[in-house]
Amino acid sequence: SAVISQKPSRDICQRGTSLTIQCQVDSQVTMMFWYRQQPGQSLTLIATANQGSEATYESGFVIDKFPISRPNLTFSTLTVSNMSPEDSSIYLCSVYTDRASTEAFFGQGTRLTVV
Amino acid sequence: AQRVTQPEKLLSVFKGAPVELKCNYSYSGSPELFWYVQYSRQRLQLLLRHISRESIKGFTADLNKGETSFHLKKPFAQEEDSAMYYCALRTDSWGKLQFGAGTQVVVTP
Repeated sequence: SAVISQKPSRDICQRGTSLTIQCQVDSQVTMMFWYRQQPGQSLTLIATANQGSEATYESGFVIDKFPISRPNLTFSTLTVSNMSPEDSSIYLCSVYTDRASTEAFFGQGTRLTVV
Repeated sequence: AQRVTQPEKLLSVFKGAPVELKCNYSYSGSPELFWYVQYSRQRLQLLLRHISRESIKGFTADLNKGETSFHLKKPFAQEEDSAMYYCALRTDSWGKLQFGAGTQVVVTP
């Protein structure tokens, strides 16, 4: 299994500002996934982060709005830039313990409210 | 286009009654399907994967390729089954998941 710690667990931010969310895993993993869960909605994949290369973004998400860093095999950050109330969501990171695994592990999520 | 559909937002059942959560998918490749569950104040976790054909906490799910369905069933619901359930489709070899909208299950005594 994998234990994932996300920081912060929640935050209230002013519109126009940025927030960086940290995801720390207790083991080395190849890929880290960032999801967004808007209020009353399901989880939507934002991007996939591979160590040593640029993140791959899903349709509808761009690097300028959601820059991602992946400096090593146990850590990643997601920044939500120039926030608006529409960015109010729960942001989750997720990993697999290895390439052959079919079980995704999730962080506890970061609940972001933009006012 | 790939899609996961969970038609029920809320299922309310009595303890001891059967419960079935519906999931239908649309995918051009060979599907890998999962059920994830989120209990109150806990993080999202895997409940079932179709390739294992397992029963977990009394739940089973069968992949029906003809009907493109992966419904989750339990013959006798328990109060501890109250949670949010998500059907998910794995869409690439790295593990990207596409989730359904989720079904909130409430089991009342």
